[in-house]
Amino acid sequence: DAKTTQPPSMDCAEGRAANLPCNHSTISGNEYVYWYRQIHSQGPQYIIHGLKNNETNEMASLIITEDRKSSTLILPHATLRDTAVYYCIVRGANAGGTSYGKLTFGQGTILTVHP
Amino acid sequence: EAQVTQNPRYLITVTGKKLTVTCSQNMNHEYMSWYRQDPGLGLRQIYYSMNVEVTDKGDVPEGYKVSRKEKRNFPLILESPSPNQTSLYFCASSLMNSPLHFGNGTRLTVT
Repeated sequence: DAKTTQPPSMDCAEGRAANLPCNHSTISGNEYVYWYRQIHSQGPQYIIHGLKNNETNEMASLIITEDRKSSTLILPHATLRDTAVYYCIVRGANAGGTSYGKLTFGQGTILTVHP
Repeated sequence: EAQVTQNPRYLITVTGKKLTVTCSQNMNHEYMSWYRQDPGLGLRQIYYSMNVEVTDKGDVPEGYKVSRKEKRNFPLILESPSPNQTSLYFCASSLMNSPLHFGNGTRLTVT
């Protein structure tokens, strides 16, 4: 019961914006959207998360559609070091929900940034 | 420094020889979990724990055990390892409603 769908791979030119989509059509009201990335075989690194409003931090922006069924992670000026696997997951907000503990990461999107 | 520490980083063992991969976090996180990562299959959750003495199965628990006797530690136990458990393993922890913090991984080879 995969909860998110991502394209397997994407390319981006260095210096341009990278827009990574994620579909989460079965998301429920108290589930957050989280994005992580994994460079080579290192431990995944947190990027950003949101509930319904768009979010921005020093790494990226997260745009969530009004119906919350999909989102886009934006890396505004991609660099070669942004080449990684990007994972989008949904997670419940509290321990009482079934989607808080049991998490499904899927295969993610391999983003390749080229010169 | 806030971190999740896994040991060992690399382990080569033989079929049937019991082993334990340790995971420790120093952030007082209630939630901890284990994942395995295999080529083409992404991260798959093995077990998770909501708090001390509370553990539950993830998507691929067969062949693994865990325990959570203290808040900071969440060891992964392979009672009788088999070659199909050769994989890269990650431990992660979090506070409620907060991002996961991952360890650096343990690469296990079972011959």
